[in-house]
Amino acid sequence: QSVLTQPSSVSGAPGQRVTISCTGSSSNIGAGFDVHWYRQLPGTAPKLLISVNTNRPSGVPDRFSGSKSGTSASLAITGLQAEDEADYYCQSYDNSLSAYVFGTGTKVAVL
Amino acid sequence: QVQLVQSGAEVQKPGASVKLSCKASGYSFTTTYLHWLRQAPGQGLEWIGLIDPRSGATMYAQNFQGRVTVTRDTSTSTVYMDLSSLRSEDMAIYYCARRLCRNSGCVFGGDAFDIWGPGAMVTVSS
Repeated sequence: QSVLTQPSSVSGAPGQRVTISCTGSSSNIGAGFDVHWYRQLPGTAPKLLISVNTNRPSGVPDRFSGSKSGTSASLAITGLQAEDEADYYCQSYDNSLSAYVFGTGTKVAVL
Repeated sequence: QVQLVQSGAEVQKPGASVKLSCKASGYSFTTTYLHWLRQAPGQGLEWIGLIDPRSGATMYAQNFQGRVTVTRDTSTSTVYMDLSSLRSEDMAIYYCARRLCRNSGCVFGGDAFDIWGPGAMVTVSS
């Protein structure tokens, strides 16, 4: 069961900016646990996109940015490109479940 | 380069067990945790558990307690996940992934997963 809620899909035209929300609760994001973001292309393993709320690993373009506030976090993609079509997941830790947890996932479509 | 190589696809009958492997290379095996996760067809990601390769200490998600065992072999830099009493709901791609900590150090519950294995499909069918 996913305890982090994301929109099922977002879309935008090439060059536009889209944001993906990740809504949690006081037992996960609101408890201060870090939020991380992953991109998953069809048939492949997830790839780390943003770590510790806002950090981009080496090689991730600065078009991707993360933020966190209260019980929620967001991923922003600016200058949307066709290659950004993928599934995106947020991830944190939940101390009520004593488990690492993921968001429900968001499919990004480039119109 | 840093990589995790997983064992191949498995087909098992309901009630059986499956043991998957994940061999690490390109970094010091005992310096960071390895996690197991899974993804059912068309579904999201689910965390199963982790192992500290240095000590062998493990932690499992409540959903898998009593059915999963994660072990490691430091001589071959390999971790294993054994899942028993398989049922149809266990049909999924199983991934191993390496822990990434903050630059300032590891904190409880702060793990990100920076290197993933390619995944291994487990099919449960009679």
